Amino acid sequence: KNEVEQSPQNLTAQEGEFITINCSYSVGISALHWLQQHPGGGIVSLFMLSSGKKKHGRLIATINIQEKHSSLHITASHPRDSAVYICAVTRGNTPLVFGKGTRLSVIA
Amino acid sequence: DTAVSQTPKYLVTQMGNDKSIKCEQNLGHDTMYWYKQDSKKFLKIMFSYNNKELIINETVPNRFSPKSPDKAHLNLHINSLELGDSAVYFCASSQAESYNSPLHFGNGTRLTVT
Repeated sequence: KNEVEQSPQNLTAQEGEFITINCSYSVGISALHWLQQHPGGGIVSLFMLSSGKKKHGRLIATINIQEKHSSLHITASHPRDSAVYICAVTRGNTPLVFGKGTRLSVIA
Repeated sequence: DTAVSQTPKYLVTQMGNDKSIKCEQNLGHDTMYWYKQDSKKFLKIMFSYNNKELIINETVPNRFSPKSPDKAHLNLHINSLELGDSAVYFCASSQAESYNSPLHFGNGTRLTVT
C-alpha cells in the first residue's frame, strides 16, 4: 500500500461543477504539496501546506493533520482545469512521497 | 524567461548509449532535484543536491550520475542506457534545503530507449 493514497483516480465533471480531490497519507508529515500536471506534461506547484487552509483563485486546499487527510477543491470548474492533480508529502528532511495522481477532465 | 529549463525535451536513443540531460534554474535556489516519472505517471525522487551536498537515492542505479558545475545547474548523465530507463525525467528546484518549500519544475525530458 502506497504511503499516499488519492481518490478518485479519475474524475469527469461538467463545466461549472464544484470538484473535490482527496489525499490520505499514513505517516506523520511536516508538509503536503498539491501539484498540477498539464496534458502537455509540465508540472506546476499549486500549494504547500502544513495546517489549515489555503486559497488561490478558484482553488482551495485544506489539510487535517489529525486525520492525515487533505482535500483540493476547485470551484466553478473549467475545461482548462483538466489535468492530473498530484498530492505529495514530506517529513521535512525526507524526499517527497507522491500519490498516483487524480486525472480530472472537465467537459464544456 | 523560464525559471527551470531542461534540455532536450525529447531524447530517443539506443540501448547501450550514454546520454545527458541538462537543467538550469534562474531562481537563485540552493537546492535542485531530479525526478523520474514512469509509464504509470508515478513520480519518484532520484537525487537532490544543494550547494553543499549531493544526496543520492540508493535505489537509483549507479549508471545515473548527477553533475552540478554550479548551484544553478544540475545535469543528469546516464551510462549504458537500458530499455527500462525510458521515462520522463523532471528537474526541479526549491529555495530551502528541506522539502518544506515549494518546488519549481522544468517541463520534463521524455527519454525513449529503443
